[in-house]
Amino acid sequence: GEDVEQSLFLSVREGDSSVINCTYTDSSSTYLYWYKQEPGAGLQLLTYIFSNMDMKQDQRLTVLLNKKDKHLSLRIADTQTGDSAIYFCAESRRFGAGTRLTVKP
Amino acid sequence: NAGVTQTPKFQVLKTGQSMTLQCAQDMNHNSMYWYRQDPGMGLRLIYYSASEGTTDKGEVPNGYNVSRLNKREFSLRLESAAPSQTSVYFCASSEGGGWGVRLGTQYFGPGTRLLVL
Repeated sequence: GEDVEQSLFLSVREGDSSVINCTYTDSSSTYLYWYKQEPGAGLQLLTYIFSNMDMKQDQRLTVLLNKKDKHLSLRIADTQTGDSAIYFCAESRRFGAGTRLTVKP
Repeated sequence: NAGVTQTPKFQVLKTGQSMTLQCAQDMNHNSMYWYRQDPGMGLRLIYYSASEGTTDKGEVPNGYNVSRLNKREFSLRLESAAPSQTSVYFCASSEGGGWGVRLGTQYFGPGTRLLVL
């Protein structure tokens, strides 16, 4: 069936870049999304990319999409301790398991 | 706007008890969703309602029922709770189930933590 996969954990030092990767199987999605979940809260939309784009930049966030390989990534530049959260990749109603990003001072 | 609200925030049940999780949104959204979140498994869709008057099964519907009471409210019922239903439950809504970002972006409630003993 259709699936969205991501690694579960990522740890970086404050000021470094973080790259969170995601693979998906449903090639019919028009948009792909990144959501952020902070402790004890629901998910909030972080950014999205239209499926005919290769890259989207939004301040410290860069989304890369390789449609041929069905690979999506989220890069966070100059990662801060406030970026510590769980990041979910999603297409339509299907979500990945979430990547827990830990930022060490 | 309160966005998406869920009640209760936390609930403890004994095996076999029943309960209803409530969800309401004030954004005039057409579509509403119920997910469960388990460690290492991410969000799994239980049921969704693409529009008022319709409901459809998601990935893990067994043991649950839903009611789209009106456009604002979408409830999730556990008829006979089991320990396997211990989870965090999230309700979400979106403007519609179409292909646009605006239509597809989901807004989430704060979640209900359910413990079944």
